[in-house]
Amino acid sequence: SQTIHQWPATLVQPVGSPLSLECTVEGTSNPNLYWYRQAAGRGLQLLFYSVGIGQISSEVPQNLSASRPQDRQFILSSKKLLLSDSGFYLCAWRGLTDTQYFGPGTRLTVL
Amino acid sequence: AQSVTQLDSQVPVFEEAPVELRCNYSSSVSVYLFWYVQYPNQGLQLLLKYLSGSTLVKGINGFEAEFNKSQTSFHLRKPSVHISDTAEYFCAVSGGGYNKLIFGAGTRLAVHP
Repeated sequence: SQTIHQWPATLVQPVGSPLSLECTVEGTSNPNLYWYRQAAGRGLQLLFYSVGIGQISSEVPQNLSASRPQDRQFILSSKKLLLSDSGFYLCAWRGLTDTQYFGPGTRLTVL
Repeated sequence: AQSVTQLDSQVPVFEEAPVELRCNYSSSVSVYLFWYVQYPNQGLQLLLKYLSGSTLVKGINGFEAEFNKSQTSFHLRKPSVHISDTAEYFCAVSGGGYNKLIFGAGTRLAVHP
């Protein structure tokens, strides 16, 4: 069966520091992968999606970037964090019939 | 372009009462429809989905949803809720291009004893 992992689970970082969040999927090959963010009390915002290795599409201009160095690995990065980058970050992969399956999330607090 | 409207941002209900969470969508093409649940500090979990066929879809945890094409709605129902159903519920529609899902803003269900 397929599983999706995210780490770290929680992260507290100072403003201006770099960021790297990792997402890996097991049990499937060449999945579409997605990064979402939930700001406090807000809905889901799609940040990036990827249809294959090295292929990244950005949904909104921002302080973040994404990379897909391996088939089942998706990384979210920033060179310098802003206070507004705080939130709950979710990774998802697409299964059959457009169904998306989500990871457990990473809670990022920027101080 | 597709869009999803969840008509209630918060729904308070007493334990063992029935509940309906409303979702309307707009689309010019056939779509797939989904309901997800999110418990505090967790990822989203798929409750149920409509692909085709019977308009009444049954999901996990006793939830069901009815697809109504003429009213472009996909309301979620449960005949008797439990305290443990307290969570955020998201309605979503496919067709956003590159297999993306379009999510509603979410409905916070609060079940009180």
